[in-house]
Amino acid sequence: GQQLNQSPQSMFIQEGEDVSMNCTSSSIFNTWLWYKQDPGEGPVLLIALYKAGELTSNGRLTAQFGITRKDSFLNISASIPSDVGIYFCAGQAPNSGYALNFGKGTSLLVTP
Amino acid sequence: NAGVTQTPKFQVLKTGQSMTLQCAQDMNHNSMYWYRQDPGMGLRLIYYSASEGTTDKGEVPNGYNVSRLNKREFSLRLESAAPSQTSVYFCASSAGSGNTIYFGEGSWLTVV
Repeated sequence: GQQLNQSPQSMFIQEGEDVSMNCTSSSIFNTWLWYKQDPGEGPVLLIALYKAGELTSNGRLTAQFGITRKDSFLNISASIPSDVGIYFCAGQAPNSGYALNFGKGTSLLVTP
Repeated sequence: NAGVTQTPKFQVLKTGQSMTLQCAQDMNHNSMYWYRQDPGMGLRLIYYSASEGTTDKGEVPNGYNVSRLNKREFSLRLESAAPSQTSVYFCASSAGSGNTIYFGEGSWLTVV
């Protein structure tokens, strides 16, 4: 499976700051997903994107499916301590069947 | 509100021992998956089952076997565990290809 390039690898921010992370791929995807993983837990879906150019919000989270279909970003506004965790992007390529390609994750730390 | 349930949560094995990780979903999903998560590697697909009665290899299938017992259950077997199989294993399910994948809480496996 193709690895996605996810950046930054880690972020250390203060409560109230906005956060932005992104994923890029050398090939196109049909679907982009953003997951959050808390310590000792499985990834939990935050936002799913199914169409190029699509911009979707979920509370303080906003994600976009890039026009080129090769990238996606996730923004978190006004971060709070419970935003701490690892954020993963995942994409599904055309004709990939059922496989999801995952980024290596962005570790977010938020200080009060 | 169980979703995807996997057992055991923690397991320590000696090299060469065998064991089976169990997974069940109550969302009536057609497709089920087994991923492994290693530090710095993101999530990698081991095997998947697109529908009841079918199984296919993912990115890292060597050393593993799977069984789709029925629509609800999908097990992962390590016939002869090796230290390289020390990892966190996640079971997941989805309605089908292109649909959002939902994860279990993970099984921490250590092979000594």
